[in-house]
Amino acid sequence: DTEVTQTPKHLVMGMTNKKSLKCEQHMGHRAMYWYKQKAKKPPELMFVYSYEKLSINESVPSRFSPECPNSSLLNLHLHALQPEDSALYLCASSQGANSPLHFGNGTRLTVT
Amino acid sequence: AQSVTQLDSHVSVSEGTPVLLRCNYSSSYSPSLFWYVQHPNKGLQLLLKYTSAATLVKGINGFEAEFKKSETSFHLTKPSAHMSDAAEYFCVVSDRNNDMRFGAGTRLTVKP
Repeated sequence: DTEVTQTPKHLVMGMTNKKSLKCEQHMGHRAMYWYKQKAKKPPELMFVYSYEKLSINESVPSRFSPECPNSSLLNLHLHALQPEDSALYLCASSQGANSPLHFGNGTRLTVT
Repeated sequence: AQSVTQLDSHVSVSEGTPVLLRCNYSSSYSPSLFWYVQHPNKGLQLLLKYTSAATLVKGINGFEAEFKKSETSFHLTKPSAHMSDAAEYFCVVSDRNNDMRFGAGTRLTVKP
């Protein structure tokens, strides 16, 4: 069982839809991450929150909007996505710099 | 910015023979380095980590890695491969700003 919980596990959405991915951890970690992973590729860093503040944004298109309501929760709001955005979206948390990442099992997103 | 290069996209070994997965890193600071494994349709699991303590790091499932600063390498080894080791392996480098970067991955195949 993973200590980082992601919901939903699967999501199918149209290009005009608005949806949100959710991530939760209760390990007291102060850094939380969103990664995108395409098939047979490594995870690509999208966003990092440190102490609930956005610290890294890897020039991600504005149709992806992250939110960190508190130290345990991380959301990724999706709007007007493209089919090429279909991927596995992974959430992770860590105690901070130089600490390992703890990953959730991901949300498999399909944009039609 | 830091980066990692995994020198082999695919490694094939026979069961019971040694495994060597190669990783070179680039970092402006003393890095932290990690190896993760991803089995098909599964999440990412931490195998081991180097965070400036002992240069020879032991991980789970019999894996170990040696940090060599002079060679900027962090190769992953295992004395004897098992069928269950077949998976995708990622080398990850971290700087002091929670910026965690994945290598391209090495797919390990284990033949009976």
